[in-house]
Amino acid sequence: AQTVTQSQPEMSVQEAETVTLSCTYDTSESDYYLFWYKQPPSRQMILVIRQEAYKQQNATENRFSVNFQKAAKSFSLKISDSQLGDAAMYFCAYRSAKIGANSKLTFGKGITLSVRP
Amino acid sequence: DTEVTQTPKHLVMGMTNKKSLKCEQHMGHRAMYWYKQKAKKPPELMFVYSYEKLSINESVPSRFSPECPNSSLLNLHLHALQPEDSALYLCASSQAYSRVIRSGANVLTFGAGSRLTVL
Repeated sequence: AQTVTQSQPEMSVQEAETVTLSCTYDTSESDYYLFWYKQPPSRQMILVIRQEAYKQQNATENRFSVNFQKAAKSFSLKISDSQLGDAAMYFCAYRSAKIGANSKLTFGKGITLSVRP
Repeated sequence: DTEVTQTPKHLVMGMTNKKSLKCEQHMGHRAMYWYKQKAKKPPELMFVYSYEKLSINESVPSRFSPECPNSSLLNLHLHALQPEDSALYLCASSQAYSRVIRSGANVLTFGAGSRLTVL
């Protein structure tokens, strides 16, 4: 079974600074997807960024980028130029790419990010 | 339309009541999900529907009864709930797993949730 670990329960960052959220995972599969979801106090889960395991290039979405280390099974999220609206709970998630596999999205425990003005 | 709409946003019910949560999407997604989320915890999968058929039931108690009447709608019928069932219930949808397309596959779109309180 796959597991996703987010070992830091909380982090804080100064507005306009850069912060990195850590995530590690364990799997025996070679083909899978990794995600970072954001859940602000409004409670809607919003996709921040997605990484396909077969792609070596790290995904980037505006101020958000990932450092995907497949051999180390590490998938960290970097937020540049942090904004007050980035304050939220962030979940790292894994999903198998195997056709017909259990379509379960495995979440980490989440990390609460606060942004100081 | 790129949204998943959930109603009601808030629901308070007694342990003997019968109520339903509703979820709707018009993105052509053929997989729909129910998740339960407690405060400061990750969502827990309850049910998955694929092409309007129940494909995953994560051993959820029978007081929760899902229904998928068509490809756009997903309901969760609630009956004889317990106070510990109070939580945020999230609905999500995605392309069906059997029709994975590499470039855009496997992204779940979530609704804003229904906050349930059982008295």
